[in-house]
Amino acid sequence: GAGVSQTPSNKVTEKGKYVELRCDPISGHTALYWYRQSLGQGPEFLIYFQGTGAADDSGLPNDRFFAVRPEGSVSTLKIQRTERGDSAVYLCASSLSGGRDTQYFGPGTRLTVL
Amino acid sequence: AQTVTQSQPEMSVQEAETVTLSCTYDTSENNYYLFWYKQPPSRQMILVIRQEAYKQQNATENRFSVNFQKAAKSFSLKISDSQLGDTAMYFCAFTSIAGGTSYGKLTFGQGTILTVHP
Repeated sequence: GAGVSQTPSNKVTEKGKYVELRCDPISGHTALYWYRQSLGQGPEFLIYFQGTGAADDSGLPNDRFFAVRPEGSVSTLKIQRTERGDSAVYLCASSLSGGRDTQYFGPGTRLTVL
Repeated sequence: AQTVTQSQPEMSVQEAETVTLSCTYDTSENNYYLFWYKQPPSRQMILVIRQEAYKQQNATENRFSVNFQKAAKSFSLKISDSQLGDTAMYFCAFTSIAGGTSYGKLTFGQGTILTVHP
């Protein structure tokens, strides 16, 4: 596709449920990043993939959060036992090969945990 | 760890006038990039301009320019001839290019809401 896409655009779930958020990066981009943006704040880094492997997952807040990128393209962010504090916009970005390459962002998924 | 600070939560400007958004950062790295991103209500984060720390010349992109003061760790964005479409949240961001696992990871400031009035 022409840009980074994310689905769903909005997700409402109940506390304790499991959710999956999908990111489809720009074709050919080997680097993929997930960020979380709380209301009125700047995005915070969660995890960075280079190809299929997570090169840096230091931003994942706890073991309820997990992300995969099995074929080096589409990535899924998985959140188990959701809590109200997980409510935020989850942004995905991709770049050609990481490092100094420009990151292109998707429109984000707004997650609301009731 | 790097930190990025934007001390102006909100700014406003009249259409066609000039506005400057402030950003300071803290790092012990010597090789890094700085960015300004724009986020309109659609949530899409759009790159406005970027600056390589080893370049002394300030970056310019059409109506957007930066004032990069490396010693002072300051990186302000100047928007000239402001347009209604410039209304958005603006984020300053930093990335180290020194290698290692933080390679490419962006650290963002808290953002500045800019409103352009007709």
